[in-house]
Amino acid sequence: NAGVTQTPKFQVLKTGQSMTLQCAQDMNHNSMYWYRQDPGMGLRLIYYSASEGTTDKGEVPNGYNVSRLNKREFSLRLESAAPSQTSVYFCASSGDGRKPYEQYFGPGTRLTVT
Amino acid sequence: GNSVTQMEGPVTLSEEAFLTINCTYTATGYPSLFWYVQYPGEGLQLLLKATKADDKGSNKGFEATYRKETTSFHLEKGSVQVSDSAVYFCALSDQTGANNLFFGTGTRLTVIP
Repeated sequence: NAGVTQTPKFQVLKTGQSMTLQCAQDMNHNSMYWYRQDPGMGLRLIYYSASEGTTDKGEVPNGYNVSRLNKREFSLRLESAAPSQTSVYFCASSGDGRKPYEQYFGPGTRLTVT
Repeated sequence: GNSVTQMEGPVTLSEEAFLTINCTYTATGYPSLFWYVQYPGEGLQLLLKATKADDKGSNKGFEATYRKETTSFHLEKGSVQVSDSAVYFCALSDQTGANNLFFGTGTRLTVIP
């Protein structure tokens, strides 16, 4: 039982390049989330998916797109990376019937855009 | 709207000192409250939670009580250890279908021997 896994762990992009961050969970959770973490800002929600087949914007969605590929996988895409998107990105999931409000986090992806 | 205000850090304590990290919240309805901990280089882990007023969450010697009258959920530990050095985040859940979490900015704790 791996929990929430994210790939890659580190990435360096040049301005204007695109990339997709991958996230998968093996806990059969319904909801999945993408956050970014910046110094002094805490975690801010980018997008979330309440259930398979649905996605919604969070607090800071501009410059990102997401895909809920199936119940397990939720990817985050940067179409044209900008230096302002340098951050640490965390994927999370929730939906354990016994603990519906707890979120479980992946180890994060550290992205640098030059 | 929903928001969490958390004591700014960093906080530096000597081993065995008493820890308090303040957290207050603004929410519509009756949120669940959480403390998450992030160790260096890792993702966030749930430390403790409380789902209704007057509940006390506890784990690993840490405690926090859900105070509706003061809209607070302060984290305490009686005797900190070097291994407690981490960043601590207070959060609330809006308890909608998506279970979105709203985080404070985090408090970095360093415990020195």
